[in-house]
Amino acid sequence: QLQLQESGPGLVKPSETLSLTCTVSGGSISSSTHFWGWIRQPPGKGLEWIGSISYSGSTYYNPSLKSRVTISVDTSKNQFSLKVSSVTAADTAVYHCARQDFYSYDMDVWGTGTTVTV
Amino acid sequence: QTVVTQEPAFSVSPGGTVTLTCGLNSGSVSTSYYPSWYQQTPGQAPRTLICNTNTRSSGVPDRFSGSILGNKAALTITGAQADDECDYYCVLYMGSGLWVFGGGTKLTVL
Repeated sequence: QLQLQESGPGLVKPSETLSLTCTVSGGSISSSTHFWGWIRQPPGKGLEWIGSISYSGSTYYNPSLKSRVTISVDTSKNQFSLKVSSVTAADTAVYHCARQDFYSYDMDVWGTGTTVTV
Repeated sequence: QTVVTQEPAFSVSPGGTVTLTCGLNSGSVSTSYYPSWYQQTPGQAPRTLICNTNTRSSGVPDRFSGSILGNKAALTITGAQADDECDYYCVLYMGSGLWVFGGGTKLTVL
């Protein structure tokens, strides 16, 4: 059974870079039929798609965050990562990683999420 | 800017039927947007209910169904139960590798 687990610092200082990693277990990140994405949820607010990466490394970003976000993949470690630069208090949120289906475009497997406070 | 609209809140009686909708600030939602629906209880990760407009995810009871109603995507819950009380989100795929979440609907069962 595929599982995703987020990891990274829970506290980041303003203006610094937030870095998170999602480790995929029970399956390969090199699947040609999936994207791998990041979604966040500020306290008391709704979900926001941050960006996604394909198995080949093609990246797709939310236009509102594009200038500050980088997503990368490490197939040797079965991981993908998120970096958000120049963070402010508005970046405080629970960050989830998720697998996205290439054909139905949904987020079909979710990580439990990790809280990041700026 | 694309805005995906959902009712902020909705209430349903136990055993009743409720339809939540997912629209666009400009234009109509069609199957081409591959609407999907997620259920989230407080402090938990979202759970996928419906993908590709009307396909139930594994393990999702058939009380939950997805469709296109008029110019919106819709999630219908029949025979509402107390543990259906939580938040529901839709997501639309806008093409070109861009996804947009709706603002979510808080469902109360009372």
